[in-house]
Amino acid sequence: QVQLQESGPGLVKSSQTLSLTCSVSGASVSSGSYHWNWIRQPAGKGLEWIGRLSTSDSPNYNPSLKGRVTITLDTSNNQFSLKVASVTAADTAVYYCARGRSFFDFWGQGTPVTVSS
Amino acid sequence: DIQMTQSPSSLSASVGDRVIITCRANETIGSYLNWYQQKPGKAPKVLIFAASRLQSGVPSRFSGSGSGTEFSLTISSLQPEDFSTYYCQQSYSMPLTFGGGTKVDI
Repeated sequence: QVQLQESGPGLVKSSQTLSLTCSVSGASVSSGSYHWNWIRQPAGKGLEWIGRLSTSDSPNYNPSLKGRVTITLDTSNNQFSLKVASVTAADTAVYYCARGRSFFDFWGQGTPVTVSS
Repeated sequence: DIQMTQSPSSLSASVGDRVIITCRANETIGSYLNWYQQKPGKAPKVLIFAASRLQSGVPSRFSGSGSGTEFSLTISSLQPEDFSTYYCQQSYSMPLTFGGGTKVDI
């Protein structure tokens, strides 16, 4: 069974960089058959796709984050990571990692991140 | 960006009711439309992909239809465990986008 698990600081100071990691088991991030995605959800609001990466494709990012996002793969540890630079309170959300091709079939449980001033 | 608009944003229903949720795209997306169910505090779970294909393990009371710009999710007979929020998502073009959600409650 494919499982994903997010990890990282739950509190980040404004203007700093948010960094999260997604550990994957039951599938290989280096397979190239799937994209590895980050999605976020502010409290009480809807879902926003952040970006994705695979070994067979260039990364894709949501322009709404204005170039502040970097997603990387760590094939040796079967993980992928998210960095969001220059965070503000608007980046406070639950962050999910998810596997996808044309749809997101496996998700992590989500990790809450609060941006403090 | 492709905008996805769901209606209604919320609805009240009873066990056994037939429920229909609609999702409209502001440009054609073929059949690149997926539906997710999200319960409070949990990650979304895919129900329907490619507009009408039932994901493995999802009960057959869920069905999807539509193509182009108009789509719908139907729950034929609402069960207690179906009270959740439902989201549509287009996978036709970047950036991937979701609808605003439809909360189904009693």
